[in-house]
Amino acid sequence: DGGITQSPKYLFRKEGQNVTLSCEQNLNHDAMYWYRQDPGQGLRLIYYSQIVNDFQKGDIAEGYSVSREKKESFPLTVTSAQKNPTAFYLCASSRGGGGVNTGELFFGEGSRLTVL
Amino acid sequence: AQKITQTQPGMFVQEKEAVTLDCTYDTSDPSYGLFWYKQPSSGEMIFLIYQGSYDQQNATEGRYSLNFQKARKSANLVISASQLGDSAMYFCAMREFGNAGNMLTFGGGTRLMVKP
Repeated sequence: DGGITQSPKYLFRKEGQNVTLSCEQNLNHDAMYWYRQDPGQGLRLIYYSQIVNDFQKGDIAEGYSVSREKKESFPLTVTSAQKNPTAFYLCASSRGGGGVNTGELFFGEGSRLTVL
Repeated sequence: AQKITQTQPGMFVQEKEAVTLDCTYDTSDPSYGLFWYKQPSSGEMIFLIYQGSYDQQNATEGRYSLNFQKARKSANLVISASQLGDSAMYFCAMREFGNAGNMLTFGGGTRLMVKP
């Protein structure tokens, strides 16, 4: 079945450690996104990528890094520079472009990161 | 300024009754799309309904309908005949088509609780 796979689902990290969250999609979508969600709040955009080897900062990119070496993959690294990394992270993809494309996002099931 | 505002942090509704979840938005882009997503406690984001700014009719998808009032910049979600499984967080989101990034901006969400 086509979809977006995020791993791990739960992750614990000690302060000062970098951690990488995986996001893989087999929908053949051009665009991929990372959002952060804090308890009881909406989603905030961290990074997005419209094509391979290109990505742009979102609203809260500080302390995060990404890469887009393959169309299917868009991993997110939470670095030690991120002061409050405990959150729920959601990866999404869309077909990208314009025309009749509504821009609907398809989401993974999320990764919950807790810093100890 | 907030682009998407959801003023109801929490709502209760009796099973089998209808409920309206409010959403107002702010944009100067004449071409935009409005989305509603459902997020159950498991965390995944489920797409519910879409309304384009040029659509002449209000969108409907099964028990979901969108009360789109363009002049008031509101896009309220109406759920008819509520079911216990409708208990979840609901997010309104907007895509501005003049924005090349194709990303969605989300509101803070409304938690809906359906009472038996």
